Order: sequence, then C-alpha cells, then structure tokens
Amino acid sequence: GENVEQHPSTLSVQEGDSAVIKCTYSDSASNYFPWYKQELGKRPQLIIDIRSNVGEKKDQRIAVTLNKTAKHFSLHITETQPEDSAVYFCAASESGGGADGLTFGKGTHLIIQP
Amino acid sequence: GAGVSQSPSNKVTEKGKDVELRCDPISGHTALYWYRQSLGQGLEFLIYFQGNSAPDKSGLPSDRFSAERTGGSVSTLTIQRTQQEDSAVYLCASSPVSYEQYFGPGTRLTVT
Repeated sequence: GENVEQHPSTLSVQEGDSAVIKCTYSDSASNYFPWYKQELGKRPQLIIDIRSNVGEKKDQRIAVTLNKTAKHFSLHITETQPEDSAVYFCAASESGGGADGLTFGKGTHLIIQP
Repeated sequence: GAGVSQSPSNKVTEKGKDVELRCDPISGHTALYWYRQSLGQGLEFLIYFQGNSAPDKSGLPSDRFSAERTGGSVSTLTIQRTQQEDSAVYLCASSPVSYEQYFGPGTRLTVT
C-alpha cells in the first residue's frame, strides 16, 4: 500500500517569511495529492490539492509543487501570518480516494513567530 | 450550505461497552469516508462508501468495528466491546464522487 513521509515534524518561521513542507510517497500509481490544515481541536480543512497532470498549482499565498519522477510534493506558504499557525497534513491517493481512501503523512506543526 | 456533521461530539464509555458514531454527509455527496486520528498523529483510513456500498472493509482495525450507510446518506460506525486502544477522534468525510474530501468535526471517543 501507499506510504507517505512528511518533513519536518515542526517548523518555526518568523512572520512574513516563507514556509516549505515536504512529502514523499511510495506508490507510483498515486495521482491525487491534497493538503489539509488542522487548527487545534478543529476539523481538517482542505487548503489546496494537485493532480498528477500538473506540476504546480497556486492559490494566493499558497502553492503546491509535484515531482512525479522523484515521487515528492511540497507545500509553499509565502508571507506567513499568525493565522497560518496550525498542523498541516499532506496526503496521497490513487483516483482521489475510493476504496483506498487518502494516505496521510504524520503532520507538520507550523509555528509563526511574531 | 451545511457541512459534514457528526454526533456525538464527545463520547466517554467504559471498556467493554458498545458505541455508535454517526455521520451526516454534505447533501448530494455520494462518497463517504471514515478515518481515525489518535492523539498527535495523522489520520488513518478506515472505510469508504460509494452510495450504500462499502467495497473493501479491510481497513477496519478489527472485527469489533463495523459500519453501514443507509439511503445513500447517513452513516454509522459501530465499535463493539470497546478497548482503551480505541480511544481516538473518529472523523468522517464526504466527497461529490471522489477527490476533494470535506471533513466533519469528529467524535472524540474516550474508553475508560
């Protein structure tokens, strides 16, 4: 089955700086890669996703890049703000979930220092 | 519109008791997923429904776990003879067909 590794487990950056979180996956058949943000005690929220037919996707301050050859994908947050503080999870799946669901990384605790 | 809802939000039960967790997906979403999140950990996939059908139940942790979905809408996850290792947050998600999954707030289960 799929295995997703996520690094780092904790990331502390100064407000206004950029943050990068990296994930690798094992199953070359995976073709859907979402990112979720989870604030303490809240539900995971989908913030951006990418499918394997594109290499990069941007949404305002957030971008995701995908390298299918190397089987890794990354989340980039620019101009970080205090409200970006949360745990971020990457995930991978074949065909968007289905019977295998999403396989998640263990999460990155992002801390934005004022 | 209304998002995914789950009930109860918190459940404390004694070891050995049965519990039933409920999920109401977003209206019109045909796909429904259950995940488990242990303290400080990522999410572990449990089971998927397309309509009322669950094609693969192998992700359920043990035969004490079962799930059903009726009318293509509400789903229940039942845990029989609960054990302390079942303590976790149980999350439900729904999706229009596949891809974007939207999560509910979860049920925090504590087995004492």
